Amino acid sequence: SAVISQKPSRDICQRGTSLTIQCQVDSQVTMMFWYRQQPGQSLTLIATANQGSEATYESGFVIDKFPISRPNLTFSTLTVSNMSPEDSSIYLCSVEDDGGRNTGELFFGEGSRLTVL
Amino acid sequence: DAKTTQPTSMDCAEGRAANLPCNHSTISGNEYVYWYRQIHSQGPQYIIHGLKNNETNEMASLIITEDRKSSTLILPHATLRDTAVYYCIVSVYKLSFGAGTTVTVRA
Repeated sequence: SAVISQKPSRDICQRGTSLTIQCQVDSQVTMMFWYRQQPGQSLTLIATANQGSEATYESGFVIDKFPISRPNLTFSTLTVSNMSPEDSSIYLCSVEDDGGRNTGELFFGEGSRLTVL
Repeated sequence: DAKTTQPTSMDCAEGRAANLPCNHSTISGNEYVYWYRQIHSQGPQYIIHGLKNNETNEMASLIITEDRKSSTLILPHATLRDTAVYYCIVSVYKLSFGAGTTVTVRA
């Protein structure tokens, strides 16, 4: 199973600034997903990031607000741009690492908890 | 549009089996049923998944009805560490999480 490390684990940010979250995986994976979990809520998929192609964003999320990079098969970044207090959430990186069995089993990082003041 | 319906919460006794229901009446033929759980302040954890047949692993059993419109996750011997939010998801590959069931295991 994949081991996922996210940085930062938590941060406090000022309104109007941007923050980049890093996701490092200990194995090569094709599909990476970024989720957001607002306080007291369930997880919402932001985008799917595959290496070598632009990220695919879900309804309600746009590239200008959440630019994503996927430079190789073990790393991705999510930037939260021009932050407002409504962006205070836990942001989670997840990868599909099912040993090639195409089961859709996802592994999640511990998340990056952002608080925007 | 919710694809699954789960009870908001449920309690169960430590050492007893916990049976978590999930309705997914609009499931498509190629969609799997996945179960994940999220223990407080942690990322979600995969439990089990299935397509048509019942499945069992070291964590749980998944019972899927013949018409595939509902399923039950069974934790055979619940422990206090099983207290978590349990998510039932139907999907081909992108997982969309609903509200889940908050399960509290009591001593």
